[in-house]
Amino acid sequence: DTGVSQDPRHKITKRGQNVTFRCDPISEHNRLYWYRQTLGQGPEFLTYFQNEAQLEKSRLLSDRFSAERPKGSFSTLEIQRTEQGDSAMYLCASNPEGFRGYTFGSGTRLTVV
Amino acid sequence: RKEVEQDPGPFNVPEGATVAFNCTYSNSASQSFFWYRQDCRKEPKLLMSVYSSGNEDGRFTAQLNRASQYISLLIRDSKLSDSATYLCVVIPDSSYKLIFGSGTRLLVRP
Repeated sequence: DTGVSQDPRHKITKRGQNVTFRCDPISEHNRLYWYRQTLGQGPEFLTYFQNEAQLEKSRLLSDRFSAERPKGSFSTLEIQRTEQGDSAMYLCASNPEGFRGYTFGSGTRLTVV
Repeated sequence: RKEVEQDPGPFNVPEGATVAFNCTYSNSASQSFFWYRQDCRKEPKLLMSVYSSGNEDGRFTAQLNRASQYISLLIRDSKLSDSATYLCVVIPDSSYKLIFGSGTRLLVRP
């Protein structure tokens, strides 16, 4: 599979627990993006990386959220002390520099109970 | 005001109908425009880019009106398989991030 891969597909966690999601972009894509989508809304931008550098973070990304892309390949998104409002689909996307078409992964659906 | 605004619908149309969706954007410096399609509980997928001169892809036609900051999508001869949410998407001039509207839901009935 040469697309964008996200793991896990689904995650149910208790409020207050920490969760971590992984995204493996298309190998030659140096830009990687995280989005969050809640029911009835379009995806909202969270953050993006060019190679290993995190170039922009949305105000939506509170202190409980952290994202990394240590070697410029895969990325992780961690949410600490989850809250019910964090329940959403977390989407990862990638594209090569200079190209504005994205490839999205299938997403990780988080449910906080 | 949201950066990208769409009528949420749903639009409920019979097979074979023509349906049009509209979208407005607030950043006049925006340069890139797209329509994405999203099926229920799936990721968004690029449907088509939108160019100033307007463009067509089979049954789908996209138009851009920069003066009014308005984007449209026309679907002719609707198929059952066209049922989905259609997301209007804009890239602001200085950024590579996509800004999505909330989506317009289309239901095509037999």
